[in-house]
Amino acid sequence: GAGVSQSPRYKVAKRGQDVALRCDPISGHVSLFWYQQALGQGPEFLTYFQNEAQLDKSGLPSDRFFAERPEGSVSTLKIQRTQQEDSAVYLCASSLASQGLYEQYFGPGTRLTVT
Amino acid sequence: AQRVTQPEKLLSVFKGAPVELKCNYSYSGSPELFWYVQYSRQRLQLLLRHISRESIKGFTADLNKGETSFHLKKPFAQEEDSAMYYCALSGRSNTGKLIFGQGTTLQVKP
Repeated sequence: GAGVSQSPRYKVAKRGQDVALRCDPISGHVSLFWYQQALGQGPEFLTYFQNEAQLDKSGLPSDRFFAERPEGSVSTLKIQRTQQEDSAVYLCASSLASQGLYEQYFGPGTRLTVT
Repeated sequence: AQRVTQPEKLLSVFKGAPVELKCNYSYSGSPELFWYVQYSRQRLQLLLRHISRESIKGFTADLNKGETSFHLKKPFAQEEDSAMYYCALSGRSNTGKLIFGQGTTLQVKP
């Protein structure tokens, strides 16, 4: 079946521009996660949704980052007034249910480059 | 502090040699430990988790709570094992968010 998909795969933004990154999770998956992966680093947690509820946004680095999942399926990560330090791969993952026991399925990522 | 440490950025071995990728963690509570793998041009995927005690593609990992380690081992490396490996942990009672190490690139030479 279809896995997690993300779009766009690559995004180049000028400093100060707003960007929106989309994630389509596996159908029926309750949990959705966003991670940020800087070059040469492991992924770092940004935020978590259970259905449409954003239950944890402790990893969002600033108030320029905003995420939503209004109908409990597709999610969008928005970054306002992008800065060079926002350059990274943004990964989305979904899992069947909440709790740490369930496998997370990752999308291919969106590589954001801020110039 | 919750942290996962993978001390080696690169591990290079010859085909047929044993492999051990190190992972140490710090977590106050009962963590779930995982190994994720990313092959070239593929997405991140789960390799194994400690709770299932499986051997996947010949890899095993034992959780050592005394040493707070979860090292990944394989007795005989294959060229197709070349990839980036990430150790990760999650709290049993939390949302399932993963805390990753920095990753180790495994290079298996012919």
